[in-house]
Amino acid sequence: NAGVTQTPKFRVLKTGQSMTLLCAQDMNHEYMYWYRQDPGMGLRLIHYSVGEGTTAKGEVPDGYNVSRLKKQNFLLGLESAAPSQTSVYFCASSYLMGIPYIRGRRVDTEAFFGQGTRLTVV
Amino acid sequence: DQQVKQNSPSLSVQEGRISILNCDYTNSMFDYFLWYKKYPAEGPTFLISISSIKDKNEDGRFTVFLNKSAKHLSLHIVPSQPGDSAVYFCAAIGLTGGGNKLTFGTGTQLKVEL
Repeated sequence: NAGVTQTPKFRVLKTGQSMTLLCAQDMNHEYMYWYRQDPGMGLRLIHYSVGEGTTAKGEVPDGYNVSRLKKQNFLLGLESAAPSQTSVYFCASSYLMGIPYIRGRRVDTEAFFGQGTRLTVV
Repeated sequence: DQQVKQNSPSLSVQEGRISILNCDYTNSMFDYFLWYKKYPAEGPTFLISISSIKDKNEDGRFTVFLNKSAKHLSLHIVPSQPGDSAVYFCAAIGLTGGGNKLTFGTGTQLKVEL
C-alpha cells in the first residue's frame, strides 16, 4: 500500500529552469494538496484540488501551476524557477472535505502526506 | 496573516515527564483541529484530532484539549518518550463554511531527553 508518492525526492535547478513535481496517491482520495515547508513558516498551501479536473489557489500560489488530469495524480509545475522557491515540497491527499460522515460513519479528515521533495534553486 | 499560531518553536522535556504543546487560532470558522507529527526527511503523519463540539480527546499517551472561548488548543504527551522527538504541527479546518482547507501552524520542535 504505497499511500502518497512524490517524485523526485531531490532536485537542484538553475534560476529560470522549469520542472514538474509529480504526486500520486492510491487511496482514491478526492482532495489533493501541494504544500511548501520553510523554516519558521510551517506548512503553507500552494494549490489544491477537490477532484479530478479541478484546481484552486492556496495561500502562496504565485510562480506555480498545477494540474489534476487524473484523480490519482496531482502535478505541480514551476515555469521559471527562482531562488525563493527553494523549499521542501509536500503533497497530501485526503477524504472529501466538508463531509465528515460517510454512510453514518465518522470519517477523519486528516491528510496523508508524501515524503517530500527537496528543491534547491541556484 | 497567520491564522494558526504555535508560539513556541522548540520545547525540551525529560523522558517520562509531560510534554505540552500549544496552539492558538484566530479564525472562528475553524471547527476541526488536528495534530501532525513530523520526523526529519519524512512527511507529516496524523496524530490526533478533535471536533469543536468536544473539549477533550484522548488516544493513549496523547490528549488534545480545546478551549473554544480562548481559541486555544494543546497537545499533552504523557509520559514523554525519546521517540516522541519530532516537529509537531497544529492544523485547523472549517468543515462547515470555512473553506475546507487545512491551515497549519509553524510547528514546534519537541526534544525528549534521556
